[in-house]
Amino acid sequence: KAGVTQTPRYLIKTRGQQVTLSCSPISGHRSVSWYQQTPGQGLQFLFEYFSETQRNKGNFPGRFSGRQFSNSRSEMNVSTLELGDSALYLCASSDTGTSRNEQFFGPGTRLTVL
Amino acid sequence: AQKITQTQPGMFVQEKEAVTLDCTYDTSDPSYGLFWYKQPSSGEMIFLIYQGSYDQQNATEGRYSLNFQKARKSANLVISASQLGDSAMYFCAMRGLAGNNRKLIWGLGTSLAVNP
Repeated sequence: KAGVTQTPRYLIKTRGQQVTLSCSPISGHRSVSWYQQTPGQGLQFLFEYFSETQRNKGNFPGRFSGRQFSNSRSEMNVSTLELGDSALYLCASSDTGTSRNEQFFGPGTRLTVL
Repeated sequence: AQKITQTQPGMFVQEKEAVTLDCTYDTSDPSYGLFWYKQPSSGEMIFLIYQGSYDQQNATEGRYSLNFQKARKSANLVISASQLGDSAMYFCAMRGLAGNNRKLIWGLGTSLAVNP
């Protein structure tokens, strides 16, 4: 099976712009989670989608949003970018049919906001 | 509130030796899962090992084993016979198994350097 893929891998934006990141989960996985990773804050949970519905949400402002499509692919959008949004954004998919439900991660999208 | 604490920002180990990476956690959930992930410099997060809170035995996956002490709320990762390719960041994470606590909570990580 192909792994989790994320596009683009690198992105440079300026303050005030918006950005959309894409994630394709492992085939058959219906749960997709998004995380933001920064040197200062570590990994922070953004949201989880399952069968096109947001199931969990972290403590991020409304500028961060996401969605999931019927094929389980997911996108996250950040509007009105701020310098502090510079981070590695990781997407993870999981097979919720297993008891341990481990998450498999993509390579991430490194976003730089200038 | 759930919390993961990794007290070792950086660790060094000689090639072929064993190393223990510490992880303590705090949760009020009666059932939960504990995970260890490895993140090389490339950035991708790689799943290593899982321990369920009701598992009677410590988890093992090849050279990785988890020293789970439930009463002390610790879940230390032991890497045996370290290899140069083990140099990476290591993260401990926890997730409740029901309701809104299903999201993964992460520690800040331990940077492991394996010396030849």
